[in-house]
Amino acid sequence: GESVGLHLPTLSVQEGDNSIINCAYSNSASDYFIWYKQESGKGPQFIIDIRSNMDKRQGQRVTVLLNKTVKHLSLQIAATQPGDSAVYFCAENIPPRGTGKLIFGQGTTLQVKP
Amino acid sequence: GAGVSQSPRYKVAKRGQDVALRCDPISGHVSLFWYQQALGQGPEFLTYFQNEAQLDKSGLPSDRFFAERPEGSVSTLKIQRTQQEDSAVYLCASSSFTDTQYFGPGTRLTVL
Repeated sequence: GESVGLHLPTLSVQEGDNSIINCAYSNSASDYFIWYKQESGKGPQFIIDIRSNMDKRQGQRVTVLLNKTVKHLSLQIAATQPGDSAVYFCAENIPPRGTGKLIFGQGTTLQVKP
Repeated sequence: GAGVSQSPRYKVAKRGQDVALRCDPISGHVSLFWYQQALGQGPEFLTYFQNEAQLDKSGLPSDRFFAERPEGSVSTLKIQRTQQEDSAVYLCASSSFTDTQYFGPGTRLTVL
């Protein structure tokens, strides 16, 4: 299943399928991007990050793709599990580096059907 | 090791009361951030500390909001004369010299 991020805030997938969550970021000068997972009643949990000098980074069951030309970020989750159900946020860091201020997107809710 | 902790987890205040929210960052983390998260929205930046210095407070919505980190470790976010629009989850995050910010569980503030 795939979301179009801001225009479709909920993504529903079957357990075992791959999920793709999309995000359009706002500032072409942003140099660092993070995906967070937030479960109900909890704080955002770091999933994976990528710097602007890369276009792909892989983690355990997750891959982040960065397309700077169209200011687009995506999170791919392989073999989605019920425990992946949560709200997913992309966040961008606008330079200068070291100030740390993150700008978050609106979030996409991922629902995994057993 | 222990993550970022925040207290209290829930706070109910009557309009006009002052509240104080506490954040204990990960030990040794130089940078500390406060964010405000309204229901159904992403977190929004409030303020940033590097050690005890408050380097950016551009996100504080009004002069009723005040944050401090006097010894470069624990931080307190204070809201004076709370209003209903202050109801939100207040998140604290910390980081070392990398950019990765690790968040606490948040304090849910409800102003009646």
